Amino acid sequence: SQTIHQWPATLVQPVGSPLSLECTVEGTSNPNLYWYRQAAGRGLQLLFYSVGIGQISSEVPQNLSASRPQDRQFILSSKKLLLSDSGFYLCAWSQPPIAGVLNEQFFGPGTRLTVL
Amino acid sequence: TQLLEQSPQFLSIQEGENLTVYCNSSSVFSSLQWYRQEPGEGPVLLVTVVTGGEVKKLKRLTFQFGDARKDSSLHITAAQPGDTGLYLCAGAPGGYQKVTFGIGTKLQVIP
Repeated sequence: SQTIHQWPATLVQPVGSPLSLECTVEGTSNPNLYWYRQAAGRGLQLLFYSVGIGQISSEVPQNLSASRPQDRQFILSSKKLLLSDSGFYLCAWSQPPIAGVLNEQFFGPGTRLTVL
Repeated sequence: TQLLEQSPQFLSIQEGENLTVYCNSSSVFSSLQWYRQEPGEGPVLLVTVVTGGEVKKLKRLTFQFGDARKDSSLHITAAQPGDTGLYLCAGAPGGYQKVTFGIGTKLQVIP
Protein backbone atom coordinates (compact mmCIF):
# COMPACT_ATOMS: atom_id res chain seq x y z
CA SER A 1 0.00 0.00 0.00
CA GLN A 2 1.05 3.57 -0.56
CA THR A 3 2.02 5.93 2.22
CA ILE A 4 3.13 9.53 2.33
CA HIS A 5 5.37 10.97 5.00
CA GLN A 6 5.87 14.61 5.78
CA TRP A 7 8.02 16.22 8.44
CA PRO A 8 8.32 17.98 10.71
CA ALA A 9 4.77 18.16 12.02
CA THR A 10 5.23 21.59 13.55
CA LEU A 11 7.92 24.21 13.18
CA VAL A 12 8.52 27.62 14.71
CA GLN A 13 11.13 29.68 12.92
CA PRO A 14 12.37 33.27 13.19
CA VAL A 15 12.00 35.68 10.28
CA GLY A 16 14.99 35.45 7.97
CA SER A 17 15.87 31.85 8.84
CA PRO A 18 16.05 29.07 6.23
CA LEU A 19 13.42 26.37 5.76
CA SER A 20 13.44 22.80 4.57
CA LEU A 21 10.32 20.61 4.57
CA GLU A 22 10.54 17.08 3.28
CA CYS A 23 7.95 14.77 1.80
CA THR A 24 8.44 11.15 0.76
CA VAL A 25 6.08 8.67 -0.83
CA GLU A 26 6.26 4.90 -0.59
CA GLY A 27 4.59 2.15 -2.56
CA THR A 28 4.22 3.87 -5.93
CA SER A 29 6.43 5.06 -8.74
CA ASN A 30 6.54 8.20 -10.90
CA PRO A 31 3.81 9.99 -8.97
CA ASN A 32 2.77 13.57 -9.49
CA LEU A 33 3.82 15.50 -6.40
CA TYR A 34 2.33 18.71 -5.01
CA TRP A 35 3.06 21.30 -2.34
CA TYR A 36 0.13 23.35 -1.01
CA ARG A 37 -0.17 26.05 1.63
CA GLN A 38 -3.35 26.60 3.59
CA ALA A 39 -4.24 29.65 5.65
CA ALA A 40 -6.25 28.95 8.80
CA GLY A 41 -9.46 27.10 7.85
CA ARG A 42 -9.30 28.09 4.20
CA GLY A 43 -8.68 26.52 0.82
CA LEU A 44 -5.44 25.15 -0.50
CA GLN A 45 -3.07 27.33 -2.49
CA LEU A 46 -0.99 25.34 -4.97
CA LEU A 47 2.68 26.29 -4.59
CA PHE A 48 4.56 23.75 -6.71
CA TYR A 49 3.87 20.58 -8.62
CA SER A 50 6.15 18.04 -10.23
CA VAL A 51 5.51 15.40 -12.86
CA GLY A 52 8.98 13.85 -12.67
CA ILE A 53 12.49 14.03 -11.20
CA GLY A 54 13.92 17.51 -11.56
CA GLN A 55 10.70 18.85 -13.13
CA ILE A 56 9.18 21.59 -11.00
CA SER A 57 6.37 23.99 -11.90
CA SER A 58 5.99 27.05 -9.72
CA GLU A 59 2.56 28.56 -9.35
CA VAL A 60 3.06 31.54 -7.07
CA PRO A 61 5.92 34.07 -7.13
CA GLN A 62 7.48 33.90 -3.68
CA ASN A 63 10.61 33.27 -1.74
CA LEU A 64 9.99 29.52 -1.67
CA SER A 65 11.50 26.88 -3.92
CA ALA A 66 10.97 23.17 -4.45
CA SER A 67 13.14 20.31 -5.59
CA ARG A 68 12.60 16.68 -6.51
CA PRO A 69 15.97 14.97 -6.18
CA GLN A 70 14.47 11.47 -6.29
CA ASP A 71 11.32 10.01 -7.80
CA ARG A 72 9.43 9.88 -4.50
CA GLN A 73 11.03 12.78 -2.63
CA PHE A 74 9.79 16.35 -2.72
CA ILE A 75 11.43 19.16 -0.77
CA LEU A 76 10.16 22.67 -0.04
CA SER A 77 12.81 25.25 0.84
CA SER A 78 13.38 28.88 1.59
CA LYS A 79 16.59 30.81 2.13
CA LYS A 80 14.93 33.50 4.25
CA LEU A 81 11.49 33.10 5.78
CA LEU A 82 8.95 35.93 5.89
CA LEU A 83 6.12 36.40 8.37
CA SER A 84 3.68 35.75 5.51
CA ASP A 85 5.14 32.25 5.05
CA SER A 86 3.30 31.06 8.15
CA GLY A 87 0.64 28.46 7.42
CA PHE A 88 -0.21 24.80 7.10
CA TYR A 89 1.89 23.11 4.40
CA LEU A 90 0.58 19.98 2.76
CA CYS A 91 2.35 17.60 0.44
CA ALA A 92 0.29 15.36 -1.82
CA TRP A 93 0.77 12.74 -4.48
CA SER A 94 -1.38 11.30 -7.22
CA GLN A 95 -1.07 9.15 -10.26
CA PRO A 96 -1.04 11.24 -13.44
CA PRO A 97 -4.46 11.96 -14.96
CA ILE A 98 -5.78 9.55 -17.56
CA ALA A 99 -7.49 11.16 -20.55
CA GLY A 100 -7.81 14.35 -18.53
CA VAL A 101 -9.59 12.70 -15.62
CA LEU A 102 -8.03 13.47 -12.27
CA ASN A 103 -6.93 10.71 -9.97
CA GLU A 104 -7.27 10.96 -6.23
CA GLN A 105 -4.73 13.10 -4.42
CA PHE A 106 -3.37 11.60 -1.23
CA PHE A 107 -2.21 14.09 1.34
CA GLY A 108 0.44 13.93 3.99
CA PRO A 109 -0.22 14.89 7.62
CA GLY A 110 0.98 18.45 7.03
CA THR A 111 3.47 20.81 8.65
CA ARG A 112 2.26 23.75 10.68
CA LEU A 113 4.81 26.51 10.22
CA THR A 114 4.86 29.60 12.40
CA VAL A 115 7.26 32.38 11.49
CA LEU A 116 7.88 34.85 14.31
CA THR B 1 -9.68 35.83 -8.53
CA GLN B 2 -10.37 32.19 -7.78
CA LEU B 3 -10.57 29.74 -10.66
CA LEU B 4 -13.09 27.76 -8.63
CA GLU B 5 -15.61 29.81 -6.67
CA GLN B 6 -17.28 28.04 -3.77
CA SER B 7 -20.40 29.19 -1.97
CA PRO B 8 -21.36 29.68 0.71
CA GLN B 9 -18.02 30.01 2.43
CA PHE B 10 -19.53 29.34 5.86
CA LEU B 11 -22.62 27.38 6.80
CA SER B 12 -23.96 26.53 10.24
CA ILE B 13 -27.05 24.34 10.40
CA GLN B 14 -28.96 22.14 12.82
CA GLU B 15 -28.69 18.38 12.76
CA GLY B 16 -31.28 16.89 10.38
CA GLU B 17 -31.40 19.82 7.97
CA ASN B 18 -30.56 19.59 4.27
CA LEU B 19 -27.97 21.76 2.56
CA THR B 20 -26.38 22.42 -0.81
CA VAL B 21 -22.98 23.90 -1.52
CA TYR B 22 -21.74 25.04 -4.89
CA CYS B 23 -18.55 25.12 -6.92
CA ASN B 24 -18.57 27.39 -9.97
CA SER B 25 -16.13 28.40 -12.67
CA SER B 26 -16.00 30.05 -16.06
CA SER B 27 -13.63 27.31 -17.23
CA VAL B 28 -14.51 23.87 -18.51
CA PHE B 29 -13.15 20.90 -16.60
CA SER B 30 -12.54 17.35 -17.74
CA SER B 31 -13.35 16.33 -14.19
CA LEU B 32 -14.03 17.88 -10.81
CA GLN B 33 -13.37 16.47 -7.39
CA TRP B 34 -14.84 17.05 -3.94
CA TYR B 35 -12.73 16.64 -0.83
CA ARG B 36 -13.55 16.91 2.86
CA GLN B 37 -11.00 18.13 5.36
CA GLU B 38 -11.02 18.01 9.15
CA PRO B 39 -8.93 20.41 11.26
CA GLY B 40 -5.23 19.58 11.35
CA GLU B 41 -5.47 16.91 8.67
CA GLY B 42 -5.13 16.67 4.92
CA PRO B 43 -8.20 16.58 2.66
CA VAL B 44 -9.75 13.23 1.78
CA LEU B 45 -11.39 12.55 -1.55
CA LEU B 46 -15.18 12.11 -1.56
CA VAL B 47 -15.91 11.82 -5.27
CA THR B 48 -14.72 12.55 -8.80
CA VAL B 49 -17.30 13.61 -11.40
CA VAL B 50 -16.43 13.24 -15.04
CA THR B 51 -19.45 13.42 -17.35
CA GLY B 52 -21.54 16.56 -17.84
CA GLY B 53 -24.86 16.15 -16.00
CA GLU B 54 -23.52 13.25 -13.96
CA VAL B 55 -25.04 12.58 -10.54
CA LYS B 56 -23.21 10.49 -7.95
CA LYS B 57 -24.49 9.46 -4.55
CA LEU B 58 -22.44 8.59 -1.51
CA LYS B 59 -24.87 7.66 1.28
CA ARG B 60 -26.50 11.00 2.24
CA LEU B 61 -24.29 13.03 -0.10
CA THR B 62 -25.32 13.74 -3.69
CA PHE B 63 -22.88 15.25 -6.16
CA GLN B 64 -23.82 16.75 -9.50
CA PHE B 65 -21.62 17.90 -12.37
CA GLY B 66 -23.10 20.66 -14.51
CA ASP B 67 -24.09 19.90 -18.10
CA ALA B 68 -21.43 22.29 -19.39
CA ARG B 69 -18.81 20.86 -16.97
CA LYS B 70 -18.16 24.29 -15.46
CA ASP B 71 -19.83 23.78 -12.10
CA SER B 72 -20.74 21.22 -9.49
CA SER B 73 -22.90 20.94 -6.40
CA LEU B 74 -22.89 18.87 -3.25
CA HIS B 75 -26.19 18.20 -1.48
CA ILE B 76 -26.29 16.68 1.99
CA THR B 77 -29.54 15.20 3.24
CA ALA B 78 -30.30 15.09 6.97
CA ALA B 79 -26.94 16.51 8.03
CA GLN B 80 -25.23 14.98 11.04
CA PRO B 81 -22.53 16.39 13.35
CA GLY B 82 -20.05 14.02 11.70
CA ASP B 83 -20.51 15.96 8.44
CA THR B 84 -18.80 18.97 10.02
CA GLY B 85 -15.69 19.97 8.11
CA LEU B 86 -14.27 21.96 5.22
CA TYR B 87 -15.60 20.89 1.81
CA LEU B 88 -13.30 21.64 -1.09
CA CYS B 89 -13.78 21.29 -4.80
CA ALA B 90 -10.78 20.76 -7.07
CA GLY B 91 -10.14 20.69 -10.78
CA ALA B 92 -7.46 20.87 -13.43
CA PRO B 93 -8.54 22.67 -16.60
CA GLY B 94 -6.43 22.52 -19.72
CA GLY B 95 -3.04 21.29 -18.58
CA TYR B 96 -4.37 18.33 -16.59
CA GLN B 97 -1.46 18.20 -14.15
CA LYS B 98 -2.03 21.46 -12.33
CA VAL B 99 -4.75 20.88 -9.76
CA THR B 100 -6.34 23.91 -8.13
CA PHE B 101 -8.70 24.02 -5.19
CA GLY B 102 -11.56 26.30 -4.33
CA ILE B 103 -11.52 28.27 -1.10
CA GLY B 104 -13.90 25.80 0.49
CA THR B 105 -17.18 25.74 2.39
CA LYS B 106 -16.79 25.44 6.12
CA LEU B 107 -19.76 23.45 7.41
CA GLN B 108 -20.81 23.18 11.03
CA VAL B 109 -23.64 20.85 11.98
CA ILE B 110 -24.99 21.57 15.44
CA PRO B 111 -26.43 18.63 17.42
